[in-house]
Amino acid sequence: GDSVTQMEGPVTLSEEAFLTINCTYTATGYPSLFWYVQYPGEGLQLLLKATKADDKGSNKGFEATYRKETTSFHLEKGSVQVSDSAVYFCALGGSSYKLIFGSGTRLLVRP
Amino acid sequence: NAGVTQTPKFQVLKTGQSMTLQCAQDMNHEYMSWYRQDPGMGLRLIHYSVGAGITDQGEVPNGYNVSRSTTEDFPLRLLSAAPSQTSVYFCASSSPSGRETQYFGPGTRLLVL
Repeated sequence: GDSVTQMEGPVTLSEEAFLTINCTYTATGYPSLFWYVQYPGEGLQLLLKATKADDKGSNKGFEATYRKETTSFHLEKGSVQVSDSAVYFCALGGSSYKLIFGSGTRLLVRP
Repeated sequence: NAGVTQTPKFQVLKTGQSMTLQCAQDMNHEYMSWYRQDPGMGLRLIHYSVGAGITDQGEVPNGYNVSRSTTEDFPLRLLSAAPSQTSVYFCASSSPSGRETQYFGPGTRLLVL
């Protein structure tokens, strides 16, 4: 069945460091791919998405490119801020209504 | 637009008690779902609904009931609470496609003693 694998956290970085959170997927067909972010004490909110191969999703300085050849959707940001500290979830949405989530990666950014 | 709302925010139950977690959305979304979030396990789908009167089981449905009498509301019922149901519960809604963005409520934190 469809699945999503994320790098385990926590990821601890200093402010202004470069961020990469790896995400790979297994799916039949051509799913859409999402990154959701969960700030402390809150629900999940969409960070970015891509609906087809080679699409790049971007928002708030974060980027991810849908790579069909490597079945990956890695999240990147060039310069993280303390306010980026959160849990990040990679997710896959296909022909059914269901979203398949990765286990989440906690990011801690230190001043 | 309130989006997706959930009540209560926090609840403590004793083993064997029953309760209903409320979820409502004002975006006229056909698809609604319930997830539970446990440490290190991401989000797991409990039940979902593709429209009023239609519900189906997700990955971890045991111990939970749902119904969908209106487009707006999708309550989750715990029939006889168990400590294993201690978790954070999220409701989500979206347009009827797995390719569309799902909108999440703020969550209900449940502690079963």
